[in-house]
Amino acid sequence: TQLLEQSPQFLSIQEGENLTVYCNSSSVFSSLQWYRQEPGEGPVLLVTVVTGGEVKKLKRLTFQFGDARKDSSLHITAAQPGDTGLYLCAGRSYNTDKLIFGTGTRLQVFP
Amino acid sequence: DTGVSQNPRHKITKRGQNVTFRCDPISEHNRLYWYRQTLGQGPEFLTYFQNEAQLEKSRLLSDRFSAERPKGSFSTLEIQRTEQGDSAMYLCASSGVRGPFQETQYFGPGTRLLVL
Repeated sequence: TQLLEQSPQFLSIQEGENLTVYCNSSSVFSSLQWYRQEPGEGPVLLVTVVTGGEVKKLKRLTFQFGDARKDSSLHITAAQPGDTGLYLCAGRSYNTDKLIFGTGTRLQVFP
Repeated sequence: DTGVSQNPRHKITKRGQNVTFRCDPISEHNRLYWYRQTLGQGPEFLTYFQNEAQLEKSRLLSDRFSAERPKGSFSTLEIQRTEQGDSAMYLCASSGVRGPFQETQYFGPGTRLLVL
């Protein structure tokens, strides 16, 4: 069974702090996506990474795909209250189109 | 509208009743997916279609669940004889075939089901 474990599960920080969320698996993925989800809504795509070692930046968010394509990280610089939400990583295997979702990281940024 | 839409957004039903949800994917996306998300968890895959063909079903999809995509456009997910354990958010996503991010799945707002 493929599993994607995210850490930490919960994170409460003050506005302006930096944070990193990790997404780890023993399985290899062809691509990995990061989503943010607000209560009562569907996940909203942040980024897709497809190449091992790839780094993508989206304003204050930096995403990295591990060289072995088994893990990923999301780093947020100078967090803002608007970053509050549930962050989900999701991996796609080579032999299927379904996504395997991580356990999620719930981020709360206080002003 | 260029996003995935789902109807209804909320559904409350009594145990034993049947319910049906609808998903309209992004235009020209040929792949459509259904996921289920319970409180505090990440979404879990249920099934997916390429055009009208149902290509994969999860073991989570018991025989009370059936999904269709008759014309390769919108899809319906029906749950028969609902149980309290079916209470969850049902998410639909779609993806295209071509392009550098053909694997990217775009999600709808979900249908939240509560079975009393």
